[in-house]
Amino acid sequence: DTGVSQDPRHKITKRGQNVTFRCDPISEHNRLYWYRQTLGQGPEFLTYFQNEAQLEKSRLLSDRFSAERPKGSFSTLEIQRTEQGDSAMYLCASSLGGISGANVLTFGAGSRLTVL
Amino acid sequence: AQSVTQLDSHVSVSEGTPVLLRCNYSSSYSPSLFWYVQHPNKGLQLLLKYTSAATLVKGINGFEAEFKKSETSFHLTKPSAHMSDAAEYFCVVSERGSYIPTFGRGTSLIVHP
Repeated sequence: DTGVSQDPRHKITKRGQNVTFRCDPISEHNRLYWYRQTLGQGPEFLTYFQNEAQLEKSRLLSDRFSAERPKGSFSTLEIQRTEQGDSAMYLCASSLGGISGANVLTFGAGSRLTVL
Repeated sequence: AQSVTQLDSHVSVSEGTPVLLRCNYSSSYSPSLFWYVQHPNKGLQLLLKYTSAATLVKGINGFEAEFKKSETSFHLTKPSAHMSDAAEYFCVVSERGSYIPTFGRGTSLIVHP
């Protein structure tokens, strides 16, 4: 297992276009997270899944954003009708959730979105 | 509700001198605390974690942090800075019962030769 993989690493799009990012977590991890990071800021939580169930979404996640994890493995994050304010690094992380112990997230390298 | 405050947006040190990156947290329940590092164009990497065991936590690359409940702090230290330590550092809190870690805004560590 090579860790958390994200694709594409970079995406440049025009305002109004749709984009989709893919995340492949560590295979035995049951939790998967999406965060967004803008320049000079810390990562902000967007949403997370436990297996295939999307358990929580941030208020940051407008109705133009949708995330899925259809079989509890990989996940996609789609942004419809992109706006310039969507330009950011989109980070995926996974963790092995359990009753006890710390919820340690392992991050991918991120997908950088630039909206022109 | 949980939150973290990183008290310095930038810290500048000379190579070979000690590093101190400050973090205060707020949590309603027993927190887990983490420090992550982000090198330019690289992913976030876990440096160390505190999970209610020993209050002094040792991490990778010579970093350590001390959990002080009375001060609600979790400061990151290193005795001697290396040029390779230059990066962005994030303090993270996740309180018991929450599966959503909250990040601080980050501290940029600058190391001068």
